[in-house]
Amino acid sequence: DTGVSQNPRHKITKRGQNVTFRCDPISEHNRLYWYRQTLGQGPEFLTYFQNEAQLEKSRLLSDRFSAERPKGSFSTLEIQRTEQGDSAMYLCASSSRTSGPSYNEQFFGPGTRLTVL
Amino acid sequence: AQTVTQSQPEMSVQEAETVTLSCTYDTSESDYYLFWYKQPPSRQMILVIRQEAYKQQNATENRFSVNFQKAAKSFSLKISDSQLGDAAMYFCAYKTSGNTPLVFGKGTRLSVIA
Repeated sequence: DTGVSQNPRHKITKRGQNVTFRCDPISEHNRLYWYRQTLGQGPEFLTYFQNEAQLEKSRLLSDRFSAERPKGSFSTLEIQRTEQGDSAMYLCASSSRTSGPSYNEQFFGPGTRLTVL
Repeated sequence: AQTVTQSQPEMSVQEAETVTLSCTYDTSESDYYLFWYKQPPSRQMILVIRQEAYKQQNATENRFSVNFQKAAKSFSLKISDSQLGDAAMYFCAYKTSGNTPLVFGKGTRLSVIA
């Protein structure tokens, strides 16, 4: 296992289209987080899962956004009717619930950069 | 709500010199964790160093060390013997214990001058 992976790495779409991103966490990690990072800013929390359960959603996550994590493995983030303001880097991170040196540490994927024209 | 403030949008350092990046945070919690993450250009974010709030001893990782001042809610990062590969965005982040997300600052862009 080489870490958190995200696909696609880049996505260009036209306003009004739907897009879906995928995140594959580190295999033994049961917690998965989605963040959004706009230019010149730090990442902002969107939502997170423990196993397949979506436990928290940020107020940043409008009704056009939906996230799933079927079977507690990979996760998808879908944006419907994209707007230019959705242009950002979407980051996924995973962490383990077990104690140890990495407890409470989140491991990040490379991100998906979305450009809405 | 917890907030993290990085007051230095950009910093520069000569190669082999030492630089300190500042971070302050606001919280009413007593049990929390602090992190410094590095994000190189077009590359993914990696953890540099972490500090548990209950530990009085400052964390160190090779050339990286922190100055954790709990009462002042300050968490600065010191990079010694700076290398060209240290050039990146550095984010200070906070989280409480358990199932909670990270709260990030806006970042500091560090340039290393050869």
